[in-house]
Amino acid sequence: QSALTQPPSASGSPGQSVTISCSGPSGDVGDYKYVSWYQHNPGKAPQLIIYDVTERPSGVPDRFSGSKSGNTASLTVSGLRAEDEADYYCTSYAGSDNLVFGGGTKLTVL
Amino acid sequence: EVQLVQSGAELKKAGESLKISCQGLGYSFTTKWIAWVRQMPGKGLEYMGVINPVDSNTYFNPSFRGQVITISVDRPMRTAYLQWNSLKASDTAMYYCATVLVVSGHSTHSFNYWGQGTLVTVSS
Repeated sequence: QSALTQPPSASGSPGQSVTISCSGPSGDVGDYKYVSWYQHNPGKAPQLIIYDVTERPSGVPDRFSGSKSGNTASLTVSGLRAEDEADYYCTSYAGSDNLVFGGGTKLTVL
Repeated sequence: EVQLVQSGAELKKAGESLKISCQGLGYSFTTKWIAWVRQMPGKGLEYMGVINPVDSNTYFNPSFRGQVITISVDRPMRTAYLQWNSLKASDTAMYYCATVLVVSGHSTHSFNYWGQGTLVTVSS
């Protein structure tokens, strides 16, 4: 199973919005509602910020939102803050109890 | 408070065996499946596999099925393990354990609690 495709980098200024895409062939993103997003700061454990395409775990700010269209899922970070600078990874269920991660996107807050 | 506490960093030689651990605290251990995720140096996250602590059934990412790794649990110890019988230099990575989030009785196939990671370094 190939990794999902994410842009290697994204950037925005404080207060702006940035959207990170995550695409895959049929059999994962397009076929299931189980798309998740993680924020990962180097040296720390990843943090779940979106699950089931659009749902936010308790405690995650509503500045983070998820969506999906066809074989592409997206994470939007609104009202960018300096602390949002991190690596972001998408995952999708791929059937048969398998998951596939995206390659990761490094978000820079300018 | 749910916590996953992983064992410390390991420095091993190629060909040696290794077992790293992940202890689940603050919840009923058998209620959350535990997954393992690898991050090789400078690379992204990779899903390795998951174990059901109730019956120890494991499910591997096909990319890892050809590798000689074992995922297991010790229920009385509330601990999950990731084990290699013969390490390779390419096993050098940070390994994370994480619990699978279940909402309204269904698995979301996402990971809501994570351990702090165990750095495994294998020299050739």
